[in-house]
Amino acid sequence: DVKVTQSSRYLVKRTGEKVFLECVQDMDHENMFWYRQDPGLGLRLIYFSYDVKMKEKGDIPEGYSVSREKKERFSLILESASTNQTSMYLCASSRGGRFEQYFGPGTRLTVT
Amino acid sequence: GQQVMQIPQYQHVQEGEDFTTYCNSSTTLSNIQWYKQRPGGHPVFLIQLVKSGEVKKQKRLTFQFGEAKKNSSLHITATQTTDVGTYFCAGQDAGNMLTFGGGTRLMVKP
Repeated sequence: DVKVTQSSRYLVKRTGEKVFLECVQDMDHENMFWYRQDPGLGLRLIYFSYDVKMKEKGDIPEGYSVSREKKERFSLILESASTNQTSMYLCASSRGGRFEQYFGPGTRLTVT
Repeated sequence: GQQVMQIPQYQHVQEGEDFTTYCNSSTTLSNIQWYKQRPGGHPVFLIQLVKSGEVKKQKRLTFQFGEAKKNSSLHITATQTTDVGTYFCAGQDAGNMLTFGGGTRLMVKP
């Protein structure tokens, strides 16, 4: 059974802080993804990675960066958090490009 | 870029009524996936459709992929309170990019 875990369920940060969100999957999946979820907007892809040290921009990469130093771990970094980055952040992984994605429980980030 | 529209955004039904959500893509898709997100939970994969005109069933849920591979639907027969949640379609293009629709939030009155 695939398990995707995220470092925090809830996080409150101040404007301008550097924020790290971590995601770990235990199924040796090649692909990992970061989404943000906002009411009425569905899931929007921020970044994804198809291999260690590889990353690709999604639809809304501005204000974010990512790191994938190990296959099982994919980190999302907010260099300088802003209030418009208050959202639910979901990490996902998949075996490959045409396979289903497995999601973590999400991190609800509030930036004040 | 690819856009995936999903309607309706919300649907209230009485328990026992049927429910349908529709998904439309701006481009031809290689496949479409459906996910369910329970309140307070995370999206969970339901099914993937690949072939033009494909129809798949999972108990009371029927999934269809359009002939032109640009639209899809999910129909639930005789809804139950356990069906409550948000249903997302996600279309995959030839480049393997998966784009999620905005979701349909289903509420069921017992």
